[in-house]
Amino acid sequence: EPEVTQTPSHQVTQMGQEVILRCVPISNHLYFYWYRQILGQKVEFLVSFYNNEISEKSEIFDDQFSVERPDGSNFTLKIRSTKLEDSAMYFCASSSGGQGGHEQYFGPGTRLTVT
Amino acid sequence: GEDVEQSLFLSVREGDSSVINCTYTDSSSTYLYWYKQEPGAGLQLLTYIFSNMDMKQDQRLTVLLNKKDKHLSLRIADTQTGDSAIYFCAERRNDYKLSFGAGTTVTVRA
Repeated sequence: EPEVTQTPSHQVTQMGQEVILRCVPISNHLYFYWYRQILGQKVEFLVSFYNNEISEKSEIFDDQFSVERPDGSNFTLKIRSTKLEDSAMYFCASSSGGQGGHEQYFGPGTRLTVT
Repeated sequence: GEDVEQSLFLSVREGDSSVINCTYTDSSSTYLYWYKQEPGAGLQLLTYIFSNMDMKQDQRLTVLLNKKDKHLSLRIADTQTGDSAIYFCAERRNDYKLSFGAGTTVTVRA
């Protein structure tokens, strides 16, 4: 069964460093998403991406964040200058889109630890 | 309110039924979902219901939707130890984003 994959599973970085979190969505999906979950808190929407552009973003997704689909398979989230409060589990998701493809399938997550 | 609300904890005896409740916020939400998260793992889509339905059954899972009260529930029949996890309800407000509740931690005791 196709699934969303994410790398790395755990990333430790120092405050102020740039990180890139990588995702390979399900191959025929057209909509891509990033969510995050701070430890013990709810899952929060960050951004959605369709047709090579951002469809919607939350207040959390400020200028420090960017997303890119550099090729036909990868979808990345970059945090330019990490802060301690960026420590969280980051989930990538994808969906095929439309009424018939509304389900979002999530990857296993990348745990980001900022020290 | 603005948030999807869920009770935080549920303890259930093995073999009994579990019922997890959720209230959502947007009456125009088209789909409502239940996701399961096991320790250290990602979010597994369990089931969903379209907003014009009252009930959906999928093997041991039954979803009930009361659109008037914006209330959603998930019933797990014959709860097993493997059902111990955090269960999130989520609403789809538009084509793009899901809004999640805080999650209900279900503990199954022998």
